[in-house]
Order: sequence, then structure tokens, then C-alpha cells
Amino acid sequence: DIQMTQSPASLSASLEEIVTITCQPSQGIGNYLSWYQQKLGKSPQLLIHSATSLADGVPSRFSGSRSGTQYSLKINRLQVEDTGIYYCLQISSTPWTFGGGTKLELK
Amino acid sequence: QVNLLQSRAALVKPGASVKLSCKASGYTFTDYYIHWVKQSHGKSLEWIGYINPNSGYTNYNEKFKSKATLTVDKSTNTAYMELSRLTSEDSATYYCTREEDYVFDYWGQGVMVTVSS
Repeated sequence: DIQMTQSPASLSASLEEIVTITCQPSQGIGNYLSWYQQKLGKSPQLLIHSATSLADGVPSRFSGSRSGTQYSLKINRLQVEDTGIYYCLQISSTPWTFGGGTKLELK
Repeated sequence: QVNLLQSRAALVKPGASVKLSCKASGYTFTDYYIHWVKQSHGKSLEWIGYINPNSGYTNYNEKFKSKATLTVDKSTNTAYMELSRLTSEDSATYYCTREEDYVFDYWGQGVMVTVSS
């Protein structure tokens, strides 16, 4: 199984700050990676697919990138509504596997 | 609008089985795979498997092969997941989600399963 190492596990940031979350797969996954946001008590929601493509309706302050085998989710100018838990997901090979999650809070 | 409506929370005894439902609306049910995802309390997400509603083909995470059984009823646009021989490890929230091109674009609201005597 492909292990997805996500960091940091938790993060506290200020309003308008830039936040970066990373995921490192245990083997190559190409661009078969997506990012999801889960707010407290809610279902996960798609943010980014194909490593860098913004999902419909997602604010442009969210972006995804890939540098070699490391994948990043960046939030520009953090807003109050961005708090929650973020997960990466690899869909390169089954079993599809999620990262451990990053809990993002406002400072 | 696309909607995946899951069944109510379930309280089940150890050793029993439970069948969870996921009723799809707002799109052609047979055009998209349905996946199931487990989230234990305070934990990350685990992919259980998927079903092709058109053909009934299933693909399971090896970890859940003897635990979960995925089926569909095309006449009611409903996907089901049956969990068998339940233990406390199966207490979790379970989500159904629609897949389009390797992306989970719509999710059910989740259903909490509690295994307790």
C-alpha cells in the first residue's frame, strides 16, 4: 500500500497568513493526488484534484503544487472559514490512501 | 443538484451485522462509481472500496474484504454497504461518495455506527 505522510499534523496560523501543508507518498503517484477539507462535523469537500487543479467553486486562495515527489497545498491569505482538517488522497493505485490529516486552527 | 442521502445512525451489538444505505439523486446513478470511506473517531480517513452501479463490479481495500459487502439497487438509485461480525473497531462514521475521474466530488452526510452491547 502507498503510505501518505502528511505534515504538519496540526498548525496554528493568523488571519491573512500563508499556510502550506505537504504530503509525501511512499512511492511515485504521478499527479494522482487530491486535497480535501473537512470542517467539524461535516463531510470532506474537494479542494484540489490532479495535484494542481482547483475544484469548481473553491476560492482561488487555495492552490496545489508538486515538487518532485512532494505535494503541497497552499492557502494564501488565511480566512476564518478555512479552519478545519485537511487531507491528501492518492488515487494512483488501490487501495487508495489518505494522509493522516492536518488540523488547521486560527491563532 | 447532486445529493447522496445516507441512512440514520446505527447502534448495533457486537457480532451483529448492519446494512448502510446511500440514496443518490440529481444525476444518472449508473454513470458514476460509489465509494465508501471510514472515519474512526478523531482519526483519518480509510478507503473501503467502490462499486460500479452499472455492472455491480466491486473493488475492495484488502483490509475490508471480509468486513464490507457493497451492493446497489438500480431501481431505487441506492448503494448499500453491509458490515458483518461487528466489533468495537468498526465503530466509526462511514461516508459514501461519488467518484468522477478519480475525484470524490460529492459526499453523503455520513452515518455513525456504534458497536456496543
